[in-house]
Amino acid sequence: DAKTTQPNSMESNEEEPVHLPCNHSTISGTDYIHWYRQLPSQGPEYVIHGLTSNVNNRMASLAIAEDRKSSTLILHRATLRDAAVYYCILSLSGGYQKVTFGTGTKLQVIP
Amino acid sequence: ETGVTQSPTHLIKTRGQQVTLRCSSQSGHNTVSWYQQALGQGPQFIFQYYREEENGRGNFPPRFSGLQFPNYSSELNVNALELDDSALYLCASSSGQGNEQFFGPGTRLTVL
Repeated sequence: DAKTTQPNSMESNEEEPVHLPCNHSTISGTDYIHWYRQLPSQGPEYVIHGLTSNVNNRMASLAIAEDRKSSTLILHRATLRDAAVYYCILSLSGGYQKVTFGTGTKLQVIP
Repeated sequence: ETGVTQSPTHLIKTRGQQVTLRCSSQSGHNTVSWYQQALGQGPQFIFQYYREEENGRGNFPPRFSGLQFPNYSSELNVNALELDDSALYLCASSSGQGNEQFFGPGTRLTVL
């Protein structure tokens, strides 16, 4: 199963952009890249996903490297509510079978 | 629209006992996945059900089993509980391939 590597923790000042990196060097051609985040005492929450092209939604942007071996989740203006653990995961054909979440990146937002 | 719900919220069992956890998927979702999340770790995939059939399984022993019902709700059963089974068990539903998963709040299982 393809694995992802993320930094254990990151800090950001409130209202500044945040770039969360993810390496997935063993990604296959049919793996989708998903990002989820988990606030304390809650289940994970979907953020964004993509296959090859960069993606934008109301929550964030996803920048995917041309070789697809890495991606970056971009929060355009961090708020205190964005403090969470962010997970980058790969799923074969987007089906979520046998996904591996890893330990994620704990984002701290400083007021 | 009702989100994903799980019951019970918390559960305490002793080693060797059996437990059943329940999940109601979001309306219209035919796919349910179960995850185990140990403290300080990311969720680990247990298995997935699609239209009442198991559709993928992670590295969990056979004493972890499941069911999906015609209304797409699901159960996770764990037999012969071990201390290491203590974790947060998460259920997530989705409407098909490539779509976002909606997670429930989880069931916190403690095995003594």
